[in-house]
Amino acid sequence: GAGVSQSPSNKVTEKGKDVELRCDPISGHTALYWYRQSLGQGLEFLIYFQGNSAPDKSGLPSDRFSAERTGGSVSTLTIQRTQQEDSAVYLCASSLGPRGANTGELFFGEGSRLTVL
Amino acid sequence: QQQVKQSPQSLIVQKGGISIINCAYENTAFDYFPWYQQFPGKGPALLIAIRPDVSEKKEGRFTISFNKSAKQFSLHIMDSQPGDSATYFCAASWRYSTLTFGKGTMLLVSP
Repeated sequence: GAGVSQSPSNKVTEKGKDVELRCDPISGHTALYWYRQSLGQGLEFLIYFQGNSAPDKSGLPSDRFSAERTGGSVSTLTIQRTQQEDSAVYLCASSLGPRGANTGELFFGEGSRLTVL
Repeated sequence: QQQVKQSPQSLIVQKGGISIINCAYENTAFDYFPWYQQFPGKGPALLIAIRPDVSEKKEGRFTISFNKSAKQFSLHIMDSQPGDSATYFCAASWRYSTLTFGKGTMLLVSP
């Protein structure tokens, strides 16, 4: 596709259940990011993948959160034992090259809205 | 050190007016300052960006002003239009860092 694709667009789950969110980046983009957007909290960095390098997991809020990127393309963000405070929009972004000032633009998907009841 | 502070949280401007959003940062290593625009139900998209070797950058009705000594930068939207109504995020990064975003400003341009 032409842009970053995320699924599902909406997910409602019960507290304690596990959820998986998927991201399909722009073809050829080597860098992939997950951000979380909560009301009034802006965009919170979660995790960064670059090629075959070890991911930067420094933004993951707890060990209930994990992510993987298979074959340098599609990524899955998994939240185990969901809590109500996990309710947010989870945004995936990709960029052509590695992160940092030399690369510039992030291309975001439309996000996956997670509601934990 | 990684924080970017953005103000105001929300802004209402009349059509044709000037919208001004401000950001401040602490980390002097930051050397890339983009602004992203987000419409409801969409992901953020790059609007305009500046590097600290210039004090101002203009693209159409959008201008970034940068004050390195004060560690502040701002977005000015001239002749604001209802179609500009969106949430605006400032951000900053340095050479090998992930973008750090401000908390966003919801802009409403009234007709």
